[in-house]
Amino acid sequence: DAGITQSPRHKVTETGTPVTLRCHQTENHRYMYWYRQDPGHGLRLIHYSYGVKDTDKGEVSDGYSVSRSKTEDFLLTLESATSSQTSVYFCAISDERYEQYFGPGTRLTVT
Amino acid sequence: GESVGLHLPTLSVQEGDNSIINCAYSNSASDYFIWYKQESGKGPQFIIDIRSNMDKRQGQRVTVLLNKTVKHLSLQIAATQPGDSAVYFCAERNAGGTSYGKLTFGQGTILTVHP
Repeated sequence: DAGITQSPRHKVTETGTPVTLRCHQTENHRYMYWYRQDPGHGLRLIHYSYGVKDTDKGEVSDGYSVSRSKTEDFLLTLESATSSQTSVYFCAISDERYEQYFGPGTRLTVT
Repeated sequence: GESVGLHLPTLSVQEGDNSIINCAYSNSASDYFIWYKQESGKGPQFIIDIRSNMDKRQGQRVTVLLNKTVKHLSLQIAATQPGDSAVYFCAERNAGGTSYGKLTFGQGTILTVHP
């Protein structure tokens, strides 16, 4: 998985609780991305980062926030989890060459 | 075949056959395309990419063809093996406007290889 780890790999949480997912890379790539993958929707971009403390919204950013204080870490936070945020979350990284490499994913269930 | 944003088709082949997976894209401004393989429970794995100034690119057992006239992309897998069974999907990079540099992913095609 191209030097990308995600934690936790599985999480079950209750509606209304905050959740933070972590993506860690050892490739020193500039760009990092958070996607969610749902049946019928494919991979959809939530947020991405183009450098330390530089982030921007993707197509499904409502209800999510991100932070990147170090090159190697990109955090995704659900401030108040809802059942519609039950999904598999993938982190990806890329350098200037455009292809994105994905982590192993985090399966999140909101009950 | 697959179209970015639509339902998930399936393809079943016998071991040793060649497989062709198709993808129709909608953005004529896209300048870069990638094929990914995703096995059950894993993250997408980069297979091969192609830029819009090319119409063919070959890798190990895989070939990607790009037809910009009809906005069609295909992935050919030679001598398909059971280990090739997975979901394959294409992605296109937007080359203009506020979506510059972002990838748009297709839904995927399920490839099943029978021994």
